[in-house]
Amino acid sequence: DAGVIQSPRHEVTEMGQEVTLRCKPISGHNSLFWYRQTMMRGLELLIYFNNNVPIDDSGMPEDRFSAKMPNASFSTLKIQPSEPRDSAVYFCASGAIASGGVSGNTIYFGEGSWLTVV
Amino acid sequence: AQSVAQPEDQVKVAEGNPLTVKCTYSVSGNPYLFWYVQYPNRGLQFLLKYITGDNLVKGSYGFEAEFNKSQTSFHLKKPSALVSDSALYFCAVRDTGSARQLTFGSGTQLTVLP
Repeated sequence: DAGVIQSPRHEVTEMGQEVTLRCKPISGHNSLFWYRQTMMRGLELLIYFNNNVPIDDSGMPEDRFSAKMPNASFSTLKIQPSEPRDSAVYFCASGAIASGGVSGNTIYFGEGSWLTVV
Repeated sequence: AQSVAQPEDQVKVAEGNPLTVKCTYSVSGNPYLFWYVQYPNRGLQFLLKYITGDNLVKGSYGFEAEFNKSQTSFHLKKPSALVSDSALYFCAVRDTGSARQLTFGSGTQLTVLP
């Protein structure tokens, strides 16, 4: 299995530009998660999809952030406009989670997208 | 509500010595507990989990963890540390009584000294 695939691995962009991060979950997994990791705040859950439907987006920091999952094999996290404080590592993770949401199943992480906004 | 605490930001041990990385949790129901490891510039890798059954769980790379319900703990252990075990370790919890997703601890940086 190829695992969770994220792109780009590294991105440097100027403040005000649009940033799009991409994720391909593990085939057969029905749940997808976007996390952000920073030194100050640790690992934060931004949004969670189940069967391509956003279930919990309470972690999305503000309206500049949006996420979509048009099909079971692809998701995007978009930041528009980007700001220096958005600099972080963004992780995508996937798992096989029951629709009720309660599961002991493991979620698996991608290698992350390292974003720097200057 | 669910939460997890990793009381030590850093743990240092000598190679060959046993290591322990501490984790305590709080849930309203019963917990599902996980350990992940993150090497520099990499994503989080799954190590092991407790769902039910035997309190001692064995995982990858010789790691194990013991679930202690009375102390609400799930400490990660390894009998003999390797320099290559040096990494950032995360404990995570999911409450079986709610639909909330994994909550991660703040992480513990393990350094194994040669």
